[in-house]
Amino acid sequence: DAGITQSPRHKVTETGTPVTLRCHQTENHRYMYWYRQDPGHGLRLIHYSYGVKDTDKGEVSDGYSVSRSKTEDFLLTLESATSSQTSVYFCAISPISNTEAFFGQGTRLTVV
Amino acid sequence: GQNIDQPTEMTATEGAIVQINCTYQTSGFNGLFWYQQHAGEAPTFLSYNVLDGLEEKGRFSSFLSRSKGYSYLLLKELQMKDSASYLCAVTNDYKLSFGAGTTVTVRA
Repeated sequence: DAGITQSPRHKVTETGTPVTLRCHQTENHRYMYWYRQDPGHGLRLIHYSYGVKDTDKGEVSDGYSVSRSKTEDFLLTLESATSSQTSVYFCAISPISNTEAFFGQGTRLTVV
Repeated sequence: GQNIDQPTEMTATEGAIVQINCTYQTSGFNGLFWYQQHAGEAPTFLSYNVLDGLEEKGRFSSFLSRSKGYSYLLLKELQMKDSASYLCAVTNDYKLSFGAGTTVTVRA
């Protein structure tokens, strides 16, 4: 199994608070992705990174920011959490573009 | 933009064959993936098609027609453990975009 860890695995937070989710990899893969998964929508890309300090927006990036200061860590921040951001968040990594992506176990975030 | 369509649900009997179709209209295309996701778990890789044609891997096969923007995943000799969601995904440069997934239920 690819070495990819998401933390926390579960979190409940209040509306308006900042939240940071962490994705940590031990594979030295260049590409990292953050997705959210909601019923009826499947996996939707939030942000992705193609190298240290190189990030770009996905299809549902509003309300989210990311940072990648080193190869192994990709952070997803909700600056001010809203109930619409209640979801399961998955991180994924891949060594080069257009190859198999490996997924973390997911973080279940509930905003109340 | 990316538009990836697949049926929402399918039901089949143990031992049978099921074909899950995926159509896509995307701003670019490098290849097409199929992933399997059991309830409450992370997606796992099943197959990858870059060129037109059929890729076979055990009980699973995947087909791609780039000119038609079409792919299918064929599951043969269905087993109860194949009950899961199957996700079609298109890769374009750095991005990997998914369809909403097809939930397959295998009945005894």
